Amino acid sequence: DQQVKQNSPSLSVQEGRISILNCDYTNSMFDYFLWYKKYPAEGPTFLISISSIKDKNEDGRFTVFLNKSAKHLSLHIVPSQPGDSAVYFCAALGGYSNSGYALNFGKGTSLLVTP
Amino acid sequence: DTGVSQDPRHKITKRGQNVTFRCDPISEHNRLYWYRQTLGQGPEFLTYFQNEAQLEKSRLLSDRFSAERPKGSFSTLEIQRTEQGDSAMYLCASSPLAGGLITDTQYFGPGTRLTVL
Repeated sequence: DQQVKQNSPSLSVQEGRISILNCDYTNSMFDYFLWYKKYPAEGPTFLISISSIKDKNEDGRFTVFLNKSAKHLSLHIVPSQPGDSAVYFCAALGGYSNSGYALNFGKGTSLLVTP
Repeated sequence: DTGVSQDPRHKITKRGQNVTFRCDPISEHNRLYWYRQTLGQGPEFLTYFQNEAQLEKSRLLSDRFSAERPKGSFSTLEIQRTEQGDSAMYLCASSPLAGGLITDTQYFGPGTRLTVL
């Protein structure tokens, strides 16, 4: 069962505008969330994370928001740049057979930033 | 470059053959993870080591799969009698041990792309 869901398989945004990528989760035991960026034929690259004790974390152009009551998080990229074009994965820690170590990934959202 | 490295980057094999992949984690990281990613999916957890001890195995890790980390440094993942369904990207990740906390970011290697013909 998919415990982390990214319901938008793709997103297209103009350069300079805001990109908003969304993620929902079902397991209330998740308490640490991460976003990874992935280019074709490469491994995922860590982007930003947030602990469940926070509702916002910011790093440069990237901000992650967490709404625990809605079991929803989002990644904002402002301003978007063509180099941001990649697949973005949302991941949550915990939830597998009481293991706190297995990252649970969504299926990813492919972001295309057009000039 | 002191990131996670994996070897080989690509492997093509015939059904029924055995294959072995290697992962070298970031040197000061004592946690090591294996994941598998198929087309259109996110990575799926396979197994986890803390130092040389294999502490967790996914139900995805059938009897044909075995992973080792003999000296707590590099790790190998072997698949015996490969099947076409094993075709995937095999990803290795590592993270540091920070006082036993589980909120450690996992850093991924470039992956090994396996194609089983």
